[in-house]
Amino acid sequence: NAGVTQTPKFRVLKTGQSMTLLCAQDMNHEYMYWYRQDPGMGLRLIHYSVGEGTTAKGEVPDGYNVSRLKKQNFLLGLESAAPSQTSVYFCASSYRASWDTIYFGEGSWLTVV
Amino acid sequence: DAKTTQPNSMESNEEEPVHLPCNHSTISGTDYIHWYRQLPSQGPEYVIHGLTSNVNNRMASLAIAEDRKSSTLILHRATLRDAAVYYCIPALYGQNFVFGPGTRLSVLP
Repeated sequence: NAGVTQTPKFRVLKTGQSMTLLCAQDMNHEYMYWYRQDPGMGLRLIHYSVGEGTTAKGEVPDGYNVSRLKKQNFLLGLESAAPSQTSVYFCASSYRASWDTIYFGEGSWLTVV
Repeated sequence: DAKTTQPNSMESNEEEPVHLPCNHSTISGTDYIHWYRQLPSQGPEYVIHGLTSNVNNRMASLAIAEDRKSSTLILHRATLRDAAVYYCIPALYGQNFVFGPGTRLSVLP
């Protein structure tokens, strides 16, 4: 009963390095989301996907790219990491984009030095 | 997206009821009122949601004002595990969820 799984859980990057965060869900959900949460703040939507092969921009998409090649996976990429991208990243999924419950992963702590 | 106003923080004693208010005066007619909570160092988790009528589940109750401009999340008997940040989110679609600062609930033993 895994739900939404994020890897890695912790990562330290140097400015300019690239990395990919992987999100996997085993609930056959159509919709997937990537959020970031800065200290003391609420979550902000980076990108989302309404189905396999689709992606769309959220509130704060700059500096990030995403891909949804398989229904169960949603990847978040940082091509050239910046200190401003130091944050906790949460992946989430839901059956549909309407009032269905959104299930969140446990978070990935990323520090860019 | 509807704007919300929630108290920054609230305190409760263990085993007592807690009423967490939320104002959402700009809510649209089709928006559901969702409540999520975030325990320390975890992702948010679903608590309850409703449209017009009051709702109950095993975790909480949701009381929605008749004009839908405000709602109250009710925890009937607070436990230490209920200490979290509670988010009130009026929205129809998941991609329109706006997580504001929420209300930080402290539960005193």
